Amino acid sequence: EAQVTQNPRYLITVTGKKLTVTCSQNMNHEYMSWYRQDPGLGLRQIYYSMNVEVTDKGDVPEGYKVSRKEKRNFPLILESPSPNQTSLYFCASSLFRGATGELFFGEGSRLTVL
Amino acid sequence: DQQVKQNSPSLSVQEGRISILNCDYTNSMFDYFLWYKKYPAEGPTFLISISSIKDKNEDGRFTVFLNKSAKHLSLHIVPSQPGDSAVYFCAASFTSGTYKYIFGTGTRLKVLA
Repeated sequence: EAQVTQNPRYLITVTGKKLTVTCSQNMNHEYMSWYRQDPGLGLRQIYYSMNVEVTDKGDVPEGYKVSRKEKRNFPLILESPSPNQTSLYFCASSLFRGATGELFFGEGSRLTVL
Repeated sequence: DQQVKQNSPSLSVQEGRISILNCDYTNSMFDYFLWYKKYPAEGPTFLISISSIKDKNEDGRFTVFLNKSAKHLSLHIVPSQPGDSAVYFCAASFTSGTYKYIFGTGTRLKVLA
């Protein structure tokens, strides 16, 4: 089954404790990206990657890191989480067609930073 | 600055009637637009898209209209069904240069049986 898998789905952590949210897709998609969803702000893009070893900043990259060492995986790293990073996070992938490709989203990871 | 705006946070429509969801954008360089639907506790799912060189795209009950001069797009759902109740996001992207997707804040549609 074609899917984007995120882990963990739920996480409560404390300020400053490094964490990684994993994202994996099985569709051989070139394009992968991370979003956060906050009330009243919709979905905001954090980082995206057009292929292995190619990453670029979205609109809200501060406080986040990503890597794309393999085509299928695109982890989101919070080196020193802060309470303002409490949010619902989505990973998505698509065939790269110059940002016209249909994005396939994971089910989301709800992160709470205390 | 919100480049893609959905000014109606919510909309209620009777089953069988037309639902019209609106989206405005400010950047005339956007050249592709997409609509996504999101149910609670799930990720968004793609609904329909339109290139900036077109003014209409239809897929079954869903039609997207693009008015470039007004920087406005709308999604029409006819006829509306209770299963269409969800949050709808419009998104815009650039097909060259930077490959970001910019999403609106969403409109919650409720279709009343």
